Amino acid sequence: NAGVMQNPRHLVRRRGQEARLRCSPMKGHSHVYWYRQLPEEGLKFMVYLQKENIIDESGMPKERFSAEFPKEGPSILRIQQVVRGDSAAYFCASSPGNQETQYFGPGTRLLVL
Amino acid sequence: DAKTTQPPSMDCAEGRAANLPCNHSTISGNEYVYWYRQIHSQGPQYIIHGLKNNETNEMASLIITEDRKSSTLILPHATLRDTAVYYCIVPDMDSNYQLIWGAGTKLIIKP
Repeated sequence: NAGVMQNPRHLVRRRGQEARLRCSPMKGHSHVYWYRQLPEEGLKFMVYLQKENIIDESGMPKERFSAEFPKEGPSILRIQQVVRGDSAAYFCASSPGNQETQYFGPGTRLLVL
Repeated sequence: DAKTTQPPSMDCAEGRAANLPCNHSTISGNEYVYWYRQIHSQGPQYIIHGLKNNETNEMASLIITEDRKSSTLILPHATLRDTAVYYCIVPDMDSNYQLIWGAGTKLIIKP
């Protein structure tokens, strides 16, 4: 059973470009969480999604950031018009249901030049 | 804020048991304690979780005190590959089970 997959593993963007981060949950998992980690800090919750629904986006900036988890395909975290402060590691976790163990992917490291 | 407190760092000799403490004095009766670790530049790895009974799996043992205000993660025979930051987390049941990450304990296994 493959674990949580994230791609790309590394992404370089110039200021003003768009970044798209993908997360494929573990087989049988329909819940996805996105977290952001700045250097030398702990992870910070961004958004929680179930298939086709955003359940909780309280940790996601209101501007430029969006997330989706369509019926088919991976969950996407989209950052428009990136700025240097968006440089971070973005981790996705999946769980089989609500209030169950979250399993993490390897992360996408975004660098904004 | 994280509901847990952990020492910032610990050392352990290779081959010995590593005992990592965690305080969670405000935990509610139906809240679980989870342990994850993060090896440098990797994604967090789930280790173990428990409610009130002690738990053991292939990676570690979790000892929870009777009053549930603290717990200890035990790595029975630490290896160099166990060097990582270990996080004790009580998921926020009022916020869709968000994992709120503190600073964790940086465990260094020494040869």
